[in-house]
Amino acid sequence: TQLLEQSPQFLSIQEGENLTVYCNSSSVFSSLQWYRQEPGEGPVLLVTVVTGGEVKKLKRLTFQFGDARKDSSLHITAAQPGDTGLYLCAADAMGGSQGNLIFGKGTKLSVKP
Amino acid sequence: DTAVSQTPKYLVTQMGNDKSIKCEQNLGHDTMYWYKQDSKKFLKIMFSYNNKELIINETVPNRFSPKSPDKAHLNLHINSLELGDSAVYFCASSQDPMYYGYTFGSGTRLTVV
Repeated sequence: TQLLEQSPQFLSIQEGENLTVYCNSSSVFSSLQWYRQEPGEGPVLLVTVVTGGEVKKLKRLTFQFGDARKDSSLHITAAQPGDTGLYLCAADAMGGSQGNLIFGKGTKLSVKP
Repeated sequence: DTAVSQTPKYLVTQMGNDKSIKCEQNLGHDTMYWYKQDSKKFLKIMFSYNNKELIINETVPNRFSPKSPDKAHLNLHINSLELGDSAVYFCASSQDPMYYGYTFGSGTRLTVV
């Protein structure tokens, strides 16, 4: 069974701090995605990483795919209250297109002003 | 225009009842999905439909049945509702989940009393 383990489960920080959340697995994935979910809404895709070692930046968010394509990290610089939400990583379950995605259990981030 | 819309947003019903949740996407995607998010925010796939053909059924109870009248719609019917069915149900669509991820609806919170 392919599992995505996310850590930490909860994170509460002050505005302006930096943070990193992790997504780990023992399985190799063709691609990995990060989503952010706000209360009462569905998850929204932030980024897809495909190549081992790949780094992508989205404003203050930096995403990295592990060299072995088994893990990923999300780093937020100078967090703001608007970054508050549930961060989910997801990966293709069996590889290949039109398959389903499996999701981690998420990191719930709270950024206090 | 909302890309993936699902109705109703909230659904409170008694045990034993039969209910339906509707989902429509206007993105022209080939595949649609239903996911269940439990109280711990864990997202688990229930079904996916590709061009009106069921391609994944993750051993959900047969009280749950997806119905797709056309490529843009995937409805979820639930018979004989049980307390344990209480959760948030998300509809999603995708053209190529491995690279472009999913577009989610805003969810239907089902409460069985």
